[in-house]
Amino acid sequence: GAVVSQHPSWVICKSGTSVKIECRSLDFQATTMFWYRQFPKQSLMLMATSNEGSKATYEQGVEKDKFLINHASLTLSTLTVTSAHPEDSSFYICKPWMVRGGYGYTFGSGTRLTVV
Amino acid sequence: SQQGEEDPQALSIQEGENATMNCSYKTSINNLQWYRQNSGRGLVHLILIRSNEREKHSGRLRVTLDTSKKSSSLLITASRAADTASYFCATEETSGSRLTFGEGTQLTVNP
Repeated sequence: GAVVSQHPSWVICKSGTSVKIECRSLDFQATTMFWYRQFPKQSLMLMATSNEGSKATYEQGVEKDKFLINHASLTLSTLTVTSAHPEDSSFYICKPWMVRGGYGYTFGSGTRLTVV
Repeated sequence: SQQGEEDPQALSIQEGENATMNCSYKTSINNLQWYRQNSGRGLVHLILIRSNEREKHSGRLRVTLDTSKKSSSLLITASRAADTASYFCATEETSGSRLTFGEGTQLTVNP
């Protein structure tokens, strides 16, 4: 169990464009989704937390208008990086959580975003 | 949130040797987890130790937790070249809450 699918694995986009990253929990329903970011040679930092059907809660320093999170269903959450700039180049990774069942240790495979 | 600390930041050993990584954290926790990350890839969950546990084993992995010192260690015995990766500790203050990651240890196991 606990299969998490994240797409795309990598993406290169031009500065000023938007990129959407999808995270799907394939065999369980994720009531909560955590989105993390990892800059090169650094650790992972939480960007935002979303609960199904609710607005996301963003960490201090993360622009909510730039990083749009949609968690409209229990199996799909999306992160859209709007008007991307080179400083947004990073590794983005999702982690779904289900209250019951103990599913909470599986991360998505991550998305490497490069903005040129 | 503040990151925990891990040491060493980098560790290079020969195959067959043991590797020990340490992690310190700042808050009270429900559990502490260790993850492995191969270069540029996703995270693989290795082991979880709860705050009321002091030691846990899984295969070649041994984890200890000292809540009085807010520290944990991960021991990998009889290391293999395939163990080469970055290792992160991560704490949960309550079950299902955010994970706070340490800075990570880059382990290189030379064949």
